[in-house]
Amino acid sequence: QSALTQPASVSGSPGQSITISCTGTSSDVGGYNYVSWYQQHPGKAPKLMIYEVSNRPSGVSNRFSGSKSGNTASLTISGLQAEDEADYYCSSYTSSSPWVFGGGTKLTVL
Amino acid sequence: EVQLVESGGGLVQPGGSLRLSCAASGFTFSSYSMNWVRQAPGKGLEWVSYISSSSSTIYYADSVKGRFTISRDNAKNSLYLQMNSLRDEDTAVYYCARSIAVAGHFDYWGQGTLVTVSS
Repeated sequence: QSALTQPASVSGSPGQSITISCTGTSSDVGGYNYVSWYQQHPGKAPKLMIYEVSNRPSGVSNRFSGSKSGNTASLTISGLQAEDEADYYCSSYTSSSPWVFGGGTKLTVL
Repeated sequence: EVQLVESGGGLVQPGGSLRLSCAASGFTFSSYSMNWVRQAPGKGLEWVSYISSSSSTIYYADSVKGRFTISRDNAKNSLYLQMNSLRDEDTAVYYCARSIAVAGHFDYWGQGTLVTVSS
């Protein structure tokens, strides 16, 4: 099972919005509404930010939102803050693995 | 408060074995599926293994199939990963992570334990 495709890095200034894409296939992202997103600060464990494409767990800021179109899922962070600087990973249920992660995206807040 | 605490990591030679443990607290362990996810140094996340709440369903990534064995003891609120025939490429931080079902997301993670395979 190949990893989902994410951009290696994205950046934005405080207050701006950024979007991170996560591209898979019809066997994973496109075939199921089980896409989730995780935030990971250096040396820390991943933290769930979005589940089932667009749902936010309790306690996660509403500046974080998720969506999906076809085989591509997206994570949007609005009103960027310095604390958002981290690595972000998407994950999807698949028909084979049964999970696959994206390669990760490093978000830099300028 | 949900807590997952991994232990058992360390330095092991190629071909060696190691057993990881994950102690759970703050929730009804027997009601949740559990997973192991690993992260090689400077690399991304890789799902390793899944076990259902009753241990009736188990999955492994192809990269560890036949070498790793996942298990759990609901009476002890503990999750385990027996790792045999270890290879250099198994070097990683190993996280235990909770999920609700096989298609569920990973809602809580432990802090991880480092496994280093090297001669």
